[in-house]
Amino acid sequence: QKEVEQDPGPLSVPEGAIVSLNCTYSNSAFQYFMWYRQYSRKGPELLMYTYSSGNKEDGRFTAQVDKSSKYISLFIRDSQPSDSATYLCALNTNAGKSTFGDGTTLTVKP
Amino acid sequence: SAVISQKPSRDICQRGTSLTIQCQVDSQVTMMFWYRQQPGQSLTLIATANQGSEATYESGFVIDKFPISRPNLTFSTLTVSNMSPEDSSIYLCSVEEDGTYYGYTFGSGTRLTVV
Repeated sequence: QKEVEQDPGPLSVPEGAIVSLNCTYSNSAFQYFMWYRQYSRKGPELLMYTYSSGNKEDGRFTAQVDKSSKYISLFIRDSQPSDSATYLCALNTNAGKSTFGDGTTLTVKP
Repeated sequence: SAVISQKPSRDICQRGTSLTIQCQVDSQVTMMFWYRQQPGQSLTLIATANQGSEATYESGFVIDKFPISRPNLTFSTLTVSNMSPEDSSIYLCSVEEDGTYYGYTFGSGTRLTVV
């Protein structure tokens, strides 16, 4: 069983839709929770990070962590075609190494 | 955040040869990481490279196959040795911004095809 499981997708939504991207994990040692966005032929780009349960908002993006359920989510409001990319969750322990989900490819159609 | 320049961006290589990938950072960083991303899959950590010490390799990766150099705080190389088609992948370097345990910055990657 993988330490991090990410909803596989792909996901296709119309412009303006609310998108929900999700990961579950099994290792209680994970303390830091990140979301990366990766455009085609580019390296991953850090989108958001958090280290506590609850919600963190940044513009149209909201990261949600539920440590008791070992479940993290990324919500995108008012999705735009420019949001079309692969989204990766990543989790770190205090040792600093990241464990990545397999990614969800999102397409936002105009 | 740090800016990473990774070279080459892509290459097609013959099996049995070696390729060295360079990663240059515009600021001094303590920890640098090398990842592999196979088509349609997530990132797998190959090794962690700290300046002045031997790289630490993850399970399944060995120094003879993936030798790493880290001569200073802004530069590292990864060599893929004695390549086979199974080594075809995207190789990415990343850095940890000092003092954080999260939020790594990545280079654009090297897309390697072995024929």
